[in-house]
Amino acid sequence: EVQLVESGGGLAQPGRSLRLSCAASEFTFDDFAMHWVRQAPGKGLEWVSGITWNSDFVGYAASVKGRFTISRDNAKNSLFLQMNSLREEDTALYYCVKDAGLYGGDYFDYWGQGTLVTVSS
Amino acid sequence: SALTQPASVSGSPGQSITISCTGAGGGVVNYNLVSWFQQHPGRAPRLLIYEGAKRPSGVSNRFSGSKSGNTATLTISGLQAEDEAGYYCCSFAGTSTSYVFGSGTKVTVL
Repeated sequence: EVQLVESGGGLAQPGRSLRLSCAASEFTFDDFAMHWVRQAPGKGLEWVSGITWNSDFVGYAASVKGRFTISRDNAKNSLFLQMNSLREEDTALYYCVKDAGLYGGDYFDYWGQGTLVTVSS
Repeated sequence: SALTQPASVSGSPGQSITISCTGAGGGVVNYNLVSWFQQHPGRAPRLLIYEGAKRPSGVSNRFSGSKSGNTATLTISGLQAEDEAGYYCCSFAGTSTSYVFGSGTKVTVL
């Protein structure tokens, strides 16, 4: 069974940075695009960022563009999200999500359990 | 902009219910790119339907996806207590790796 385990969440002050990681296993990591999706407390799902299998293309939601950077290390079966200039509205549970295809544009077939990011002074 | 879903839908055990998913501002949703997720409180979302009407292995055939006009629809047949959860539609937005989710629907089993 596909495993996606997020880490790196925690409490950060506004303007500071956090780096999220996702360890993937039980599938061929470099055969699929990957994404980050977040969910603010009591709210709905919001796509944050995605990256193709070979990192050639990345995409960001307008709300995080210019502040967040997605990356991956296929040799280590890992996905990352560098979050800079954090805002209180970035407070959310961040999910690592597997795409069903190489380049994105397919659908999300597996989700991790999430890592909680809280931005507060 | 988020896709539009009803905030809540309810039904009695054994009944069928439907959840609609409409493009922003009442616009067209690309049916072939629509997927549906179920989320129980405190749990991660689970894929129910992809590419409009396809079911992954392991998902009950009580869940089905369809299209009506400009709207994608999730139908839950034979409603059970365990179906009480949040449901989200999602669609690829057409730009590289970009997606949009629906506003979410809370299903209550009476």
